[in-house]
Amino acid sequence: GENVEQHPSTLSVQEGDSAVIKCTYSDSASNYFPWYKQELGKRPQLIIDIRSNVGEKKDQRIAVTLNKTAKHFSLHITETQPEDSAVYFCAASSTSNTGKLIFGQGTTLQVKP
Amino acid sequence: EPEVTQTPSHQVTQMGQEVILRCVPISNHLYFYWYRQILGQKVEFLVSFYNNEISEKSEIFDDQFSVERPDGSNFTLKIRSTKLEDSAMYFCASSGVNEQYFGPGTRLTVT
Repeated sequence: GENVEQHPSTLSVQEGDSAVIKCTYSDSASNYFPWYKQELGKRPQLIIDIRSNVGEKKDQRIAVTLNKTAKHFSLHITETQPEDSAVYFCAASSTSNTGKLIFGQGTTLQVKP
Repeated sequence: EPEVTQTPSHQVTQMGQEVILRCVPISNHLYFYWYRQILGQKVEFLVSFYNNEISEKSEIFDDQFSVERPDGSNFTLKIRSTKLEDSAMYFCASSGVNEQYFGPGTRLTVT
């Protein structure tokens, strides 16, 4: 069935360093890949998304890359700050943004000051 | 900025009881969803709803669950005969032409 694998499960970086989180998906029909940030006890919030017709997208310190051939996509956070500490989830959908999202297991990012 | 809202924020119920979780999606959105997140685990899709009917449901969404849009604003998830393993955070989401927006969640505790 549809599956999204996410690595690593935990990531600790020093403030100012970069962080990279990787996901792979199984459904080759997937065409929409959002990333959500979830702070403790709060709702998931979209931070960036990418569609299958694009290989890379950037928004300030956050970028996402997509390799459709290899069926993997990655989140890159540069110049990390303590407020970036949270759980990050990747997700995939085969019906663009209106279809169900299949989530990865999550990465707990800790940014040490 | 419009937000998805959910009530209650926390619901405690006894095993075997029925619960109704309520959501008010963003007003001009047409697609609605329920997800759940067991503590410390990933977010799991339950059901999607469009044009007043279920468009897709997961294996988790069995006969114990039902959804309804009783009026033009509310979207509800009913869980009949709750079990201990139903304890989780339940998120409602809605989408229009862009991203799915999540509500703050209802923490359901079954004792």
